[in-house]
Amino acid sequence: DTGVSQDPRHKITKRGQNVTFRCDPISEHNRLYWYRQTLGQGPEFLTYFQNEAQLEKSRLLSDRFSAERPKGSFSTLEIQRTEQGDSAMYLCASSPRGGLAGVSNEQFFGPGTRLTVL
Amino acid sequence: GENVEQHPSTLSVQEGDSAVIKCTYSDSASNYFPWYKQELGKRPQLIIDIRSNVGEKKDQRIAVTLNKTAKHFSLHITETQPEDSAVYFCAAGFGAAGNKLTFGGGTRVLVKP
Repeated sequence: DTGVSQDPRHKITKRGQNVTFRCDPISEHNRLYWYRQTLGQGPEFLTYFQNEAQLEKSRLLSDRFSAERPKGSFSTLEIQRTEQGDSAMYLCASSPRGGLAGVSNEQFFGPGTRLTVL
Repeated sequence: GENVEQHPSTLSVQEGDSAVIKCTYSDSASNYFPWYKQELGKRPQLIIDIRSNVGEKKDQRIAVTLNKTAKHFSLHITETQPEDSAVYFCAAGFGAAGNKLTFGGGTRVLVKP
C-alpha cells in the first residue's frame, strides 16, 4: 500500500496517560497535516509540517499536544496527560507542495487513529 | 480565522435524482476548495476540487461551482446512485498558508433505491 498509513488504528487509554501516534505519509510528499475529527463533525486542523519544519499550530493544540517530523518523513503526535475530551479520530494527511504550476493541492488522508480515553 | 458553513446537514434523494450541497466561507483569501466523501469508518477521499481562478469544474456526474464574490461554493451530483450514499465535506484552504483546510460540518447523503 503506497498511501498514507497510521499506527495504531485504535488506542484505548486511561485518563492521565500519555499516548503517541505515528503517521507515514506518501513518500514524495513534503507536506504533512494532522487533523482531529469527532463523531458527526468535519476534521479540524491541528498542525502541519513542510519537510521537517512545523509551520503552524492551531489554537486547538494545547501544550499537552506535541508533534514532530524529525527527518521530514514520518511524523508523531503525542498527547500528554490525556483527558476524556481528547477522545476522537486523529487523521493524518499528506500532499505535494501546492501552489506550483501543475502540482496538485490534494491532501491524501490516512485511515486515522481512534483514541478512546476512559 | 476561516469559518465554513455547510447545508443541509442531511439530504435524502431518490436514486437518479440530483443532489446539491452548499457551503459558504468567510475568508476572502481562501483560494482552494476541495470536496471530500467519507463512508462510514473510512478515511475522507477527495472527489473534486476547485481553485479560485475557476468558476466551475465538472467530472462525470459531479460538478462544483464557485462564486468568489458571494463566498459560496456548491457540489452537484447528478443521476445519484446508492453508492453515492456517504457523508460529504466541503473545505476551504489558502495556498500561501500551507493549504491547511477548514472543513464544513458535513452533509449526510442517503440515496434511496
